[in-house]
Amino acid sequence: NAGVMQNPRHLVRRRGQEARLRCSPMKGHSHVYWYRQLPEEGLKFMVYLQKENIIDESGMPKERFSAEFPKEGPSILRIQQVVRGDSAAYFCASSPPRTSGRTDTQYFGPGTRLTVL
Amino acid sequence: QKEVEQDPGPLSVPEGAIVSLNCTYSNSAFQYFMWYRQYSRKGPELLMYTYSSGNKEDGRFTAQVDKSSKYISLFIRDSQPSDSATYLCAMSSGGYQKVTFGTGTKLQVIP
Repeated sequence: NAGVMQNPRHLVRRRGQEARLRCSPMKGHSHVYWYRQLPEEGLKFMVYLQKENIIDESGMPKERFSAEFPKEGPSILRIQQVVRGDSAAYFCASSPPRTSGRTDTQYFGPGTRLTVL
Repeated sequence: QKEVEQDPGPLSVPEGAIVSLNCTYSNSAFQYFMWYRQYSRKGPELLMYTYSSGNKEDGRFTAQVDKSSKYISLFIRDSQPSDSATYLCAMSSGGYQKVTFGTGTKLQVIP
């Protein structure tokens, strides 16, 4: 059973460009979370999505950031007009369905390291 | 004040030592408590998971939760060089809720 997959693993963008980060949850998982980790800091929650729905986006910056989880395909975190301060590691996590009884458990992917030049 | 406080270390111990890692928190709504291990430039890996107060043991790892003091601990017995990593405490208020992380404690186990 493949784990959470993220791509690309490394992404370099110049200021003003767009960054698109992709996340495929574990098989059978339909709950996806995005976190950001800045150097020497812990992971900060950004957004929680289910298929075609944003459930909690309380951690998302109000501008330039958006996320989606379509019916088909991976979840996408999009950052428009990137700035140097966006440089960080972005992690995706997924949770199993309610029937598993472990809705509180989140499994993390390897992350995408974004560098803004 | 941060919701979750964790000493960043670094913590350096000799192989075979008992390691104690701790976090304090301020949000009384937290019910689920986790410890993740993160190797350099990798994603966090779930180590231990505890619901509410109490102890949980898994091999060389023991997690303790004291909700009355808002204090959680992770003990590692017979530490190994392969345990060298950053350990993140994490907690949430329920299933399908965001997880709040500590900043992580960097551990180095010296052979």
